[in-house]
This record gives sequence, C-alpha cells and structure tokens, in this order.
Amino acid sequence: DQQVKQNSPSLSVQEGRISILNCDYTNSMFDYFLWYKKYPAEGPTFLISISSIKDKNEDGRFTVFLNKSAKHLSLHIVPSQPGDSAVYFCAASLVGSNYKLTFGKGTLLTVNP
Amino acid sequence: GAVVSQHPSWVICKSGTSVKIECRSLDFQATTMFWYRQFPKQSLMLMATSNEGSKATYEQGVEKDKFLINHASLTLSTLTVTSAHPEDSSFYICSAMRQSNTEAFFGQGTRLTVV
Repeated sequence: DQQVKQNSPSLSVQEGRISILNCDYTNSMFDYFLWYKKYPAEGPTFLISISSIKDKNEDGRFTVFLNKSAKHLSLHIVPSQPGDSAVYFCAASLVGSNYKLTFGKGTLLTVNP
Repeated sequence: GAVVSQHPSWVICKSGTSVKIECRSLDFQATTMFWYRQFPKQSLMLMATSNEGSKATYEQGVEKDKFLINHASLTLSTLTVTSAHPEDSSFYICSAMRQSNTEAFFGQGTRLTVV
C-alpha cells in the first residue's frame, strides 16, 4: 500500500520554465512533508519541507504547496535549470511515528537546455 | 518495489551505552548502503557510504570510531553508535542501492534518543 505517491515517474521541461512535481498521500495523519533531490549514485539531499499547519513554503527557486483537503503537495521550481535534472523524492512523516518517513518513489526531472 | 528494512524504528538508551541499527535489503542485493542522520526539520545528512566487504567511507566531520559501520553481506549493513551521548539523539536512516542500479531505496529510519 503506497501511502505516498508520485504518479509521474518522469518530467521533462525546458530551461527557464517552471517545473511542477506532484505528490499525493493517503494517510491524513501525516503532519510533515519533505522533498529530496537525488543524483544518480549519490545520496539524496534535502530540498524543502512543509508542516501541515502551513499551505506554502518558499526557499529561493523552490516552493512547496500543501493542500491538506486534497492530500496533495507539489514542488515548484522556477526558473528550471539544467542542474536541476535529478530524481525528486517526496516524503511524509506520521504523527507520533518518531519521525519515521514514508517516501514516494520519486520523479525524474529532466531540464533541457 | 524493492524493500529496505531498518530496525529498530526507535530506541531509547542511556548515555555511555552502544546501540546497533540494522539495515537490510529484503529482496535485492545491495552492494552499497548509505547511512544518514537527520535532526528535526533539518536536512538529511549523509554520514557514510557502506560497501559490502570493505571499509565504510565516512563524510567529513563524522567520527568513524564513534559510528561503526559494518556491511558484511549484500543484504545487511549495521550502524553502531558507540558510547552514545545525548547529542547523538537523532533520526538515522539508511538507504540501499541495487547491485546493477543507481537507484537507492530507503529504510524507514530509526529515532535514537539518548538519555
């Protein structure tokens, strides 16, 4: 049972345009969400997070939006750069789980020059 | 999909004791496993890269004598926090990579609290 779903395995955008990565979850008890970026053969790197008490968090080119009623969050990257090409993982933390993270399977973003 | 099991999911220990965390790849062989540490609402920081049959490669600033990593088989890596102190309290997560794939699969994480 996939509690955190990233339904798009891949996404391709042009440099300078906006990249929108989506993530859906099924467990309404999740209270903290994170996005990680990962290059091949490397460990993931933290990008941005959002608490369930917020609906938006922004950090430079990256913005995460949370829609609790729809159980949906998205990561916006604007403007997209070729160096953003990587796999992006969405992860969620469960209330009372001692920070146990449930990850999505990731979305491969390719930014074309 | 591939499954990586990390055990225990949480542990509380006394200062000065050692704690072992296991990371198992349940349905694939993992030549490489990564160990991460994460403080609340902070970035997941890579601690070390563990390769089967060889010594782990530690990131700068990580004490290898304090965080012992053993990757004795293609399905098991262990992280032992020796002589734990309260400042070692954190969230530790492993990930494992398939032998012929660059994709990493993550364990569920271990919340360590040292009292």
